[in-house]
Amino acid sequence: DIQMTQSPSSLSASVGDRVTITCRASHDISNYLLWFQQKPGKAPKSLIYAASSLQSGVPSKFSGSGSGTDFTLTISSLQPEDFATYYCQQYKSYPFTFGPGTKVDI
Amino acid sequence: EVQLVESGGGLVQPGGSLRLSCATSGFTFSDHYMGWVRQAPGKGLEWVGRSRNKANSYTTEYAASVNGRFTISRDDSKNSLYLQMNSLKTEDTAVYYCARDLFASGIHHPFDIWGQGTMVTVSS
Repeated sequence: DIQMTQSPSSLSASVGDRVTITCRASHDISNYLLWFQQKPGKAPKSLIYAASSLQSGVPSKFSGSGSGTDFTLTISSLQPEDFATYYCQQYKSYPFTFGPGTKVDI
Repeated sequence: EVQLVESGGGLVQPGGSLRLSCATSGFTFSDHYMGWVRQAPGKGLEWVGRSRNKANSYTTEYAASVNGRFTISRDDSKNSLYLQMNSLKTEDTAVYYCARDLFASGIHHPFDIWGQGTMVTVSS
């Protein structure tokens, strides 16, 4: 199975900050990577697919990059509604696997 | 508007069975791969399985933790996805989400739209 790791596991940031979250795969997954945002008690929301493609309706302050084993999610200017937990997920091979999550709080 | 609505969750004893449903609307269900993801209380997300579409023979894939116990099926005439869960264990306690795949650039990218989830509790 492909193992996904994320760093940091949590971070504290302020409104307006630029935030970067890193996701690493244990094997080459090309660009078969997703990013999700989840708020407490809510379903996850898809932000990015294919490592860098923005889902429809997602604001352009979110961006994804990377290929192979190393990926990043960047929030260009953190807003109050962005405080949440962020997960990456690979879909290069079965079983699909998620990272453990990065909690972004104030 | 695209919608996915799960139902069928509840309390079940270890060893019991439960069938979850995911009713969809707002898109051509038969064209899309669909999947299930679960989240144990206070934990992260865990992929459960995937159903391909008719064009790909409705084939399925499962996580090792549920393989042989859970079965994903679909009824394109009802725009619905199902998760039959047998031989349930306490560790299957979780919120279960159904989610749709996005088809773009010739690839099925998982989980662009999610339902609200349904809670399954396995306990005696």
